[in-house]
Amino acid sequence: EIVMTQSPATLSVSPGERATLSCRASQSVGVNLAWYQQKPGQAPRLLIYGASTRATDIPARFSGSGSGTAFTLTISSLQSEDFAVYYCQQYNTWPALSFGGGTKVEIK
Amino acid sequence: QVQLVQSGAEVKKPGASVRVSCRASGYTFTNFDITWVRQATGQGLELVGWMSPKSGHTGYAQNFRGRVTMTRNTTTSTAYMDLSSLKSEDTAVYYCTRGLTGQQLVLVYWGQGTLVTVSS
Repeated sequence: EIVMTQSPATLSVSPGERATLSCRASQSVGVNLAWYQQKPGQAPRLLIYGASTRATDIPARFSGSGSGTAFTLTISSLQSEDFAVYYCQQYNTWPALSFGGGTKVEIK
Repeated sequence: QVQLVQSGAEVKKPGASVRVSCRASGYTFTNFDITWVRQATGQGLELVGWMSPKSGHTGYAQNFRGRVTMTRNTTTSTAYMDLSSLKSEDTAVYYCTRGLTGQQLVLVYWGQGTLVTVSS
C-alpha cells in the first residue's frame, strides 16, 4: 500500500497570503496525484488531478506541481472561502487509491 | 447534471449490518465505476472499495474484506454498499463517488454522504 503523508497538519495563513501545502508518497506515483478541498459538513471537492491539471471551475489561484514522490499545492492569494482542509490522493496503483491525512488551512 | 444521491443516516448496534444506497443520475450508470470512501468524525478519508456497474466486478480495501459487499441495480441506476459485523470504529460518513472520464479514480462527483453511527 502506498502511504501518503501531508505536511504541515495545520497551516495558519492571513487572507491574501500564499499557502504552500506538501504531500509525499512512500513510493513513486508518477503524476497520478489529486488534491481535494473539504469544508465542514460538505463532501470533498476535486481541485487538481494529474498533479497539475485544475478541475473544471477551479480558480487559477490554485496550482499543483510535482512528480514521483513529492507534490505541492499552492494557493497564490488566500480568499476567505479557501479556509478548509486539503487532502492529496494517489491513484497510481489501480484500484487501490489512498489519501493523505489532510492539511487544515486556518485563518491567522 | 451528474448527481449521486445517498440514503439517509443510520444508527446500528454493534454486530449488526447496514446498507447504504447511492442513486446515480445525469449519466450512463454502467459507464463509470462507483468508489466508496468513508470518513470518521474529524478524521481523514479512507477507501472502502469500488464496483463496476457494468460487470458487477468489485474490489475491496484490505481493512474491509470479508465484511463489505458492493452490488448494483442497473435498472434503477443504484449502487449499494453492505457492511456487516459493525463495530464502533465503523462510525463514519460513507460517500459514494464517481470518477472522471478516462480517470476512474479521480473522484470528481461525490454523494452527499451517509452518516452511519454504531452504538450500543
